[in-house]
Amino acid sequence: SQKIEQNSEALNIQEGKTATLTCNYTNYSPAYLQWYRQDPGRGPVFLLLIRENEKEKRKERLKVTFDTTLKQSLFHITASQPADSATYLCALSNQGGKLIFGQGTELSVKP
Amino acid sequence: GAVVSQHPSWVICKSGTSVKIECRSLDFQATTMFWYRQFPKQSLMLMATSNEGSKATYEQGVEKDKFLINHASLTLSTLTVTSAHPEDSSFYICSARPHFPLPQETQYFGPGTRLLVL
Repeated sequence: SQKIEQNSEALNIQEGKTATLTCNYTNYSPAYLQWYRQDPGRGPVFLLLIRENEKEKRKERLKVTFDTTLKQSLFHITASQPADSATYLCALSNQGGKLIFGQGTELSVKP
Repeated sequence: GAVVSQHPSWVICKSGTSVKIECRSLDFQATTMFWYRQFPKQSLMLMATSNEGSKATYEQGVEKDKFLINHASLTLSTLTVTSAHPEDSSFYICSARPHFPLPQETQYFGPGTRLLVL
């Protein structure tokens, strides 16, 4: 069955450093991979989408890479700030299909 | 743009009662809406997919008679938890997939509804 794994342990980093989160998947060939941010008690907020034929996508301080050979995506937040503290969810989908979510990685940025 | 609202944001009810949760896309039309459930420290689990004017498609293990979904228009979907029991207590989140010209690969999520059944 399809499986998505994210860093299960919380990630604690110092303000100003780069946070790197990992998403690995098996038994799936997604057309799209998306990253969402979720704050406690809130719904997810869309951050970035990358397609299977794209290697890298950037948006301001965010960067996503997608390696379909390794079946892995890396999500980077550069110059991290305490306001970036949240849970980050990786989600896979195919054209017009359902989103399959990973369990999320909790990021804590200390001042 | 692409705002989705949910109402109520939280509800406490007695066991055996039914609870209705509304999901609205405020500034766009949604071809499809999705309902998820999330337990503490766990990821979102898709419950069902609904398209306007047609019956919802439920995920395996989700009881369609217990979780009634109505998608009456391109901007409104409702989830009714019938005869709720304590094990139904959870965080329910809806999402909407927009019409063109907004990207259709992305879903826009509501803020969630916290349900506590006593």
